[in-house]
Amino acid sequence: EDQVTQSPEALRLQEGESSSLNCSYTVSGLRGLFWYRQDPGKGPEFLFTLYSAGEEKEKERLKATLTKKESFLHITAPKPEDSATYLCAVQGSGGSYIPTFGRGTSLIVHP
Amino acid sequence: ETGVTQTPRHLVMGMTNKKSLKCEQHLGHNAMYWYKQSAKKPLELMFVYSLEERVENNSVPSRFSPECPNSSHLFLHLHTLQPEDSALYLCASSHRSGYQETQYFGPGTRLLVL
Repeated sequence: EDQVTQSPEALRLQEGESSSLNCSYTVSGLRGLFWYRQDPGKGPEFLFTLYSAGEEKEKERLKATLTKKESFLHITAPKPEDSATYLCAVQGSGGSYIPTFGRGTSLIVHP
Repeated sequence: ETGVTQTPRHLVMGMTNKKSLKCEQHLGHNAMYWYKQSAKKPLELMFVYSLEERVENNSVPSRFSPECPNSSHLFLHLHTLQPEDSALYLCASSHRSGYQETQYFGPGTRLLVL
């Protein structure tokens, strides 16, 4: 059974204070690891898909990296508008094409 | 704008009511999903429709009934719900290609059962 654990559960940063969110996973053959951003009361917004260890993707202040056991979402010089819940999901090749989601990390960036 | 729309955005219903949630995707995808999201819990998959095949989470109560008339539309019919069914209901779609699939989500329907 695929498993996803995200840490920390909640993170408070000052504007400009860089940090990283962690997504640890166990999966039988990784097809893809996904990062989403979710604002309160809204649906998750797709950010990145990573396919293999060593891969990196960037979008504005966000950078996602992937190893064989975990992924990091690095936030450089965050702004208050980066405040949201960040979700991680994995899709394995064990038979089901349905992604497994973590509980998310709630990020608050103070001005 | 994600290309996946949901209506209504908010719904309040009594336990004896019958209502339906609607989802429409404009992305040309061939798979659609219903998820339930409750506070402090991971996304819970309820139903999947893919290539005219239906997959369901066996833990979903029968008071939830999905319908997928075509690859662009998905409904969730609700009847005799319980207060614990109050949650954010999310629709998603993806393109099944036999490899990795990225899901795109709608804005959700916030449901309150009184």
